[in-house]
Parts: sequence; C-alpha cells; structure tokens
Amino acid sequence: AQSVTQLGSHVSVSEGALVLLRCNYSSSVPPYLFWYVQYPNQGLQLLLKYTSAATLVKGINGFEAEFKKSETSFHLTKPSAHMSDAAEYFCAVSKRGGGNKLTFGTGTQLKVEL
Amino acid sequence: EAGVTQFPSHSVIEKGQTVTLRCDPISGHDNLYWYRRVMGKEIKFLLHFVKESKQDESGMPNNRFLAERTGGTYSTLKVQPAELEDSGVYFCASSQQGQGEKLFFGSGTQLSVL
Repeated sequence: AQSVTQLGSHVSVSEGALVLLRCNYSSSVPPYLFWYVQYPNQGLQLLLKYTSAATLVKGINGFEAEFKKSETSFHLTKPSAHMSDAAEYFCAVSKRGGGNKLTFGTGTQLKVEL
Repeated sequence: EAGVTQFPSHSVIEKGQTVTLRCDPISGHDNLYWYRRVMGKEIKFLLHFVKESKQDESGMPNNRFLAERTGGTYSTLKVQPAELEDSGVYFCASSQQGQGEKLFFGSGTQLSVL
C-alpha cells in the first residue's frame, strides 16, 4: 500500500521568503509523485510531477521539488513567496502504470504574510 | 475550452435523504475519476471510469453510493440514503486516454448531511 505524509497542516511565511512544504511517501515500488495546489473555490491544479526522469522537477509558478529516494521525500520549494501563492498544497503518489489513481496527503495550507 | 464542471457546488440535505452529484468532464476525456475529502482528512479515491465502464471502484465506501456514466460522457454519483459521515467535498477529475495524462479537477461539490 502507498501512503503520503505531509508535515505541517499550516505553514506561514513572509512575502519574499523561501517556501518549503514537506512530503514523505511510502511505496513498495518506485512511484510517481505529484504536487497539486488548490486556490479558494477552485479545483486542484497540477504544479509538477515526478515520473523517473530528472530528480529535480520544475513546475509552474516558480515551484520545484526534488525526489530523494534515500529519504523517501518529495519536498516542494519556491525561493521567494508571493502573496498569490497562498493556497492549499497536496502531495500525492501513484503506482507506475496505475493511471491517475492517486493517494493524497492531508494537505498543507500556505499563508503568505506581508 | 471548458474545464471539468460539477453541479451543484453545495448541497445541504438531511440524514436519510438522497442526493445526486453530477460531473461533466472535459470533452473527449475518456477517463473520469471521483474523489472525496472528508473535513480535515486526505482526499481519497472513490472510483474510475474509462468511457462508460467502471475500471476501478475499490474506493467506494459502501453500497449506498452509486456512480454511473451513461454514454461515456457526464457522470453522476448518487448517495442513498445519506448518512452524517458522507459529508465532505466530492471532486471529479478527468484525463485523456493513456498513461501519464494530466488530470484536470473540478471545483468540487460540498455536501453537508445534517
């Protein structure tokens, strides 16, 4: 069985500061890994995904994530937070060949303060 | 291009009543998924359609839930009779045929069972 753990249900950063959202996964086989973002009153949007090519994955809006097999981690980072980054972020995992049957973490609400 | 559309956006019903949620996927998307997020918890997979066929319904909670996708276009998810624990946000998502295709989410239906 696969699982995802997101450390910190709420994270607060100052505008311009580094954003770091943590995600650890458990999977018996090499997985695909995803980060999704949900803005208020909208559906989830794909930020980026890891499918086994480069371990550093660049996504939209300046976000990136690094796959670290030894640490079973897939943390999301952005060098400089913007007010518009305030949203809820979800890490997810799927089996290779499992299509879009995703196992999500519980989400991290990001607050960006002036 | 229209995105994934869900109706209604909110539904408040009493325990024991019936509710039907509808999802219109992006035109041409063969894959349709239903997910659910109970308050404060992770988003969980419910089921997956490929065209009109149920590919995987392993996440359906019990037989009070019935999903259909007649004609392979829109889908409905009926809960009958609704219980308090059915409250949550129900998300629909769709993707094109093929492995690794990007998943597009609707904005969800907030279901409250009182």
